[in-house]
Amino acid sequence: EPEVTQTPSHQVTQMGQEVILRCVPISNHLYFYWYRQILGQKVEFLVSFYNNEISEKSEIFDDQFSVERPDGSNFTLKIRSTKLEDSAMYFCASGRGSGAINEQFFGPGTRLTVL
Amino acid sequence: LAKTTQPISMDSYEGQEVNITCSHNNIATNDYITWYQQFPSQGPRFIIQGYKTKVTNEVASLFIPADRKSSTLSLPRVSLSDTAVYYCLVVFNAGNMLTFGGGTRLMVKP
Repeated sequence: EPEVTQTPSHQVTQMGQEVILRCVPISNHLYFYWYRQILGQKVEFLVSFYNNEISEKSEIFDDQFSVERPDGSNFTLKIRSTKLEDSAMYFCASGRGSGAINEQFFGPGTRLTVL
Repeated sequence: LAKTTQPISMDSYEGQEVNITCSHNNIATNDYITWYQQFPSQGPRFIIQGYKTKVTNEVASLFIPADRKSSTLSLPRVSLSDTAVYYCLVVFNAGNMLTFGGGTRLMVKP
């Protein structure tokens, strides 16, 4: 069964450093998402991406964040200058975006720790 | 976006049927009701989606009354591995973002 993969599984970085989180969505999906979950809190939407551009973004997704689909398979989230409060689990998801069932497939997540 | 309300936690025993009810009083005509499951340190996983009446798949059933202001996720004969957080979401359209609430933490005991 196809699945969303994410690398790395755990990233430790110093405050102010840039990080890139990588995702490989399911190959025939058209919509791509990033969510985050701070420890013990709810899953929060960051951004959605469709047709090579951002389709929606939340207030969390400020100028420090960017997304890119550099080739036909990878989908990345970049945080330019990490802050302590960016420490969270980051989930990539993908979906077909059409049909009666709106199912998003989530990856296993990248745990980001900012020191 | 319709707000959802569901119990913070529930306990059950192995082999029992579990029903988790969610209220979504402000649901709009084009909204679908969707349930996700999340295990610790894993991404959410889609369980079931419905618009009205009853939907059943190999994992669960979803009951939606005619007014659609609430829905009930039914898990038949739960096992210890069903211990997880269950999220009720209202989804406007295919492709749209998911808005997660606090979910219901289900604990299945032996």
